[in-house]
Amino acid sequence: EAQVTQNPRYLITVTGKKLTVTCSQNMNHEYMSWYRQDPGLGLRQIYYSMNVEVTDKGDVPEGYKVSRKEKRNFPLILESPSPNQTSLYFCASSPNRGRETQYFGPGTRLLVL
Amino acid sequence: ELKVEQNPLFLSMQEGKNYTIYCNYSTTSDRLYWYRQDPGKSLESLFVLLSNGAVKQEGRLMASLDTKARLSTLHITAAVHDLSATYFCAVPRTEKLVFGKGTKLTVNP
Repeated sequence: EAQVTQNPRYLITVTGKKLTVTCSQNMNHEYMSWYRQDPGLGLRQIYYSMNVEVTDKGDVPEGYKVSRKEKRNFPLILESPSPNQTSLYFCASSPNRGRETQYFGPGTRLLVL
Repeated sequence: ELKVEQNPLFLSMQEGKNYTIYCNYSTTSDRLYWYRQDPGKSLESLFVLLSNGAVKQEGRLMASLDTKARLSTLHITAAVHDLSATYFCAVPRTEKLVFGKGTKLTVNP
């Protein structure tokens, strides 16, 4: 089944404890992206990647890192999480470009205490 | 800066009624997407509108795009409870999608 998977789905952590949210797609898509969804603010892009080893900042990149060492994987790293990073995170992918239809993962709900 | 505005943001309607959700955007775009999100779930692609005048229909939902007016509509016909969800429109801008804030639709028996 063609899909985008994320792990973990739910995570409670404490301020400053490094964490990684994994994202994987099995559709051989070139483009991958991370969004966060917050009440009243909608979905905002954090980072995106056009291809292996090519990443760029979205609208809200502060406090996050990403890497794209393999085409299928695009992990989101929070080196020192803070409470304002409590959010619902979605990974998405599309065949070639960010302006195409993007297919979303199931989401990761993160709570930073 | 591209702004995408949806209205209404909240919509409570009775089963069997019709209604339209509007999506306005501030800069030129040749395409627009509609997504559906159920509570606690991910976003599911509903419609891809790729040109001016494009119209797509699926069941009780019909979406259209007017690129000259920078407006898309999502029309609901004879609503049923299963349509209760949040609906987002999204417009591409460079390498991302810019989303509206979503319309939370509740269909009451």
